[in-house]
Amino acid sequence: ETGVTQTPRHLVMGMTNKKSLKCEQHLGHNAMYWYKQSAKKPLELMFVYNFKEQTENNSVPSRFSPECPNSSHLFLHLHTLQPEDSALYLCASSPDPRSGGTNEQYFGPGTRLTVT
Amino acid sequence: DQQVKQNSPSLSVQEGRISILNCDYTNSMFDYFLWYKKYPAEGPTFLISISSIKDKNEDGRFTVFLNKSAKHLSLHIVPSQPGDSAVYFCAASVSAGGTSYGKLTFGQGTILTVHP
Repeated sequence: ETGVTQTPRHLVMGMTNKKSLKCEQHLGHNAMYWYKQSAKKPLELMFVYNFKEQTENNSVPSRFSPECPNSSHLFLHLHTLQPEDSALYLCASSPDPRSGGTNEQYFGPGTRLTVT
Repeated sequence: DQQVKQNSPSLSVQEGRISILNCDYTNSMFDYFLWYKKYPAEGPTFLISISSIKDKNEDGRFTVFLNKSAKHLSLHIVPSQPGDSAVYFCAASVSAGGTSYGKLTFGQGTILTVHP
């Protein structure tokens, strides 16, 4: 139990569908992250939110749209995805890194996304 | 440009022996380093970290060594156990604020297999 949950765990969607991934953290953290892990590639940071404000968008295509309504919840809205977007999408949270503390991030189990 | 590299995709070790996982980085601004372990169908789990002001950090069977001049870190697991079989990721960050705060840069991972 890591304190970070993600739903759904598996998702298959067509290229014309719209779906959303949900992440919730129960750790009292103030920063939340979306990562993408493709086969045989390092984890790629997609978005960073600190105190509900987006502080990083790592050149992610607009077909991925994040939403952070509060410090405990993070969504990733998906629309008109491509087959190459199939990957494991991981959410993570951490204490506010701007406080100068360490950067341990705690990950959820991920959503395995397949785009057909 | 991959700033954190794990050049060994896999490592196989006998139970009871030492496992040594290596990681190299290129960005001299990195000052905090972490190791994560990942089992199939789970998110990465934080294992151990080290600040650049230290050259060694130990936690039970796990020890991380940092060689700043060589921009190299390693994770030693001794004695290795079959339950240690997983993918191990090293990650690096800049801990002291600025626009890079909160960002972890990951290596590609090394698959460790510990044989009984």
